[in-house]
Amino acid sequence: DGGITQSPKYLFRKEGQNVTLSCEQNLNHDAMYWYRQDPGQGLRLIYYSQIVNDFQKGDIAEGYSVSREKKESFPLTVTSAQKNPTAFYLCASSKLAQSSYNEQFFGPGTRLTVL
Amino acid sequence: QKEVEQNSGPLSVPEGAIASLNCTYSDRGSQSFFWYRQYSGKSPELIMSIYSNGDKEDGRFTAQLNKASQYVSLLIRDSQPSDSATYLCAVVNNFNKFYFGSGTKLNVKP
Repeated sequence: DGGITQSPKYLFRKEGQNVTLSCEQNLNHDAMYWYRQDPGQGLRLIYYSQIVNDFQKGDIAEGYSVSREKKESFPLTVTSAQKNPTAFYLCASSKLAQSSYNEQFFGPGTRLTVL
Repeated sequence: QKEVEQNSGPLSVPEGAIASLNCTYSDRGSQSFFWYRQYSGKSPELIMSIYSNGDKEDGRFTAQLNKASQYVSLLIRDSQPSDSATYLCAVVNNFNKFYFGSGTKLNVKP
């Protein structure tokens, strides 16, 4: 059963804490992405990775960090430097750029709330 | 200027009518175009992709692309209350950079 999984579904963070959001895919996709969505807003790109051990900043990378040690996994850490982290976080994956079939598919999301 | 523009809506249509959703983009070199449906509180779901000028039909959905005018649209025929959602337009440029619009909220009234 192929797909993208994210955990946890809900996450609560205290001020000054770092938290890590998990994203795993078994679609054999090379590219993975992290987006942030605020209520009533579109998707904003945080980080993306097109190959293992390489990733690039998106439009709003400040206060976030990622790693890509395995093709299947792309965890996102929300650090204490991110001052307004309450949002819906979406992980996505796609085949590489050179493929015509480069649709992005999304996981179910993690809703992060700062207490 | 935003890379992808959509009217935020809400767009209200009666059940059984055709819903027409529009999207314009700024990068003339864009290659791939997608429509996603997002129910409240859920993640986006891919419903249509289109890569060349013209129409592409899939069931009740038709995507239309006009690269010269830089717009892409989604038509939903025989709209159902279950189609009520936010529809996101996504455009991909030559460097595989995805740009998402902020979405159009569709309400289908029974």
